Amino acid sequence: QKEVEQDPGPLSVPEGAIVSLNCTYSNSAFQYFMWYRQYSRKGPELLMYTYSSGNKEDGRFTAQVDKSSKYISLFIRDSQPSDSATYLCAMSPWAGGFKTIFGAGTRLFVKA
Amino acid sequence: EPEVTQTPSHQVTQMGQEVILRCVPISNHLYFYWYRQILGQKVEFLVSFYNNEISEKSEIFDDQFSVERPDGSNFTLKIRSTKLEDSAMYFCASRGQISYNEQFFGPGTRLTVL
Repeated sequence: QKEVEQDPGPLSVPEGAIVSLNCTYSNSAFQYFMWYRQYSRKGPELLMYTYSSGNKEDGRFTAQVDKSSKYISLFIRDSQPSDSATYLCAMSPWAGGFKTIFGAGTRLFVKA
Repeated sequence: EPEVTQTPSHQVTQMGQEVILRCVPISNHLYFYWYRQILGQKVEFLVSFYNNEISEKSEIFDDQFSVERPDGSNFTLKIRSTKLEDSAMYFCASRGQISYNEQFFGPGTRLTVL
């Protein structure tokens, strides 16, 4: 079983839709959970990070972590064409990001 | 806004040659990382570096790889004898003291080994 699993998509939605992106993981030692956005031929850009279980909201983005199910989600409200990118989940057992493990990334297309 | 920069943006080399990939982290950051992303695959951790020494490294980071902070601003990744399978995007990242998981990534260097 892979440490981190993420559906690569592609996921295509109309502008204004609510997008749900998800990852599952197997290593119960993961405590820190991140979501990155990566545009084509660019480096990943940190969107949000959370510690342990719970929700975190930042503007149109909401991150959820359910450690009991080993499942994390990123919701994007009122999606825009500029949100079209690859979204990577990432997780780490320790603060500091040592040996962060990334998911494969989900390609999202938001159609105008 | 401060950013991580990397040079060159694209490096083409022959198999067996040595390459050095360069990064300039954000100036007040203390923790530095290298990752690679083979085309179409996931981002993979290579190595983390703090206080002039390697903090942790992955199985990928074998004796062919080394990192160095030769001066106060640059952070380099050296591959001693490149193989075809080293072809990938290499990302440098850095983070500050306070935001433990807020790594800032550079734009990457695309390495092509022929």
